[in-house]
Amino acid sequence: DTAVSQTPKYLVTQMGNDKSIKCEQNLGHDTMYWYKQDSKKFLKIMFSYNNKELIINETVPNRFSPKSPDKAHLNLHINSLELGDSAVYFCASSQWSLNTEAFFGQGTRLTVV
Amino acid sequence: KQEVTQIPAALSVPEGENLVLNCSFTDSAIYNLQWFRQDPGKGLTSLLLIQSSQREQTSGRLNASLDKSSGRSTLYIAASQPGDSATYLCAALNTGNQFYFGTGTSLTVIP
Repeated sequence: DTAVSQTPKYLVTQMGNDKSIKCEQNLGHDTMYWYKQDSKKFLKIMFSYNNKELIINETVPNRFSPKSPDKAHLNLHINSLELGDSAVYFCASSQWSLNTEAFFGQGTRLTVV
Repeated sequence: KQEVTQIPAALSVPEGENLVLNCSFTDSAIYNLQWFRQDPGKGLTSLLLIQSSQREQTSGRLNASLDKSSGRSTLYIAASQPGDSATYLCAALNTGNQFYFGTGTSLTVIP
């Protein structure tokens, strides 16, 4: 079983559209993250949720809205997509209270045309 | 704010060589440091995790060390193989519950 799974793996959409990326973890972790990897391969935190509570919200446009219906899920909804949103988005999870390792999903490659 | 740097940015070695990848961080108040591997177009695979109280961790041909006081970690790969070719990333976990990633080292092992 995949520990952290994201869907879809690829997403091509036009500017102005609204899209969602789903993430689920079956590790029983209490913390989930969304990271953005830009064209230079640099990974930057976007959001972090601990026990369904928003912990980190980096400087991300409010067009991006995370939603955590339960500890095992953290979805990312993006409104009014722009060309600059094209990137690979990674979901991750960890058991923060134990400082254990983070596990990452396979990524969602978003292309805005 | 934590800044993580990895040197070199790219490395090409012949098969069989031992090699060292470097990771440095500016804020030594870390909870742990984790090394990942990323293959082209793929996700991140966790390689080794070093807790802040530990000095090193080993897994097979990989050995990672941590020196918090100097803000450095190294990943040692013994007897490199072509299958080791990938981008290697280090990430430091700090207060605030987030991992700060380095810029990555792209490794190519030549058969």
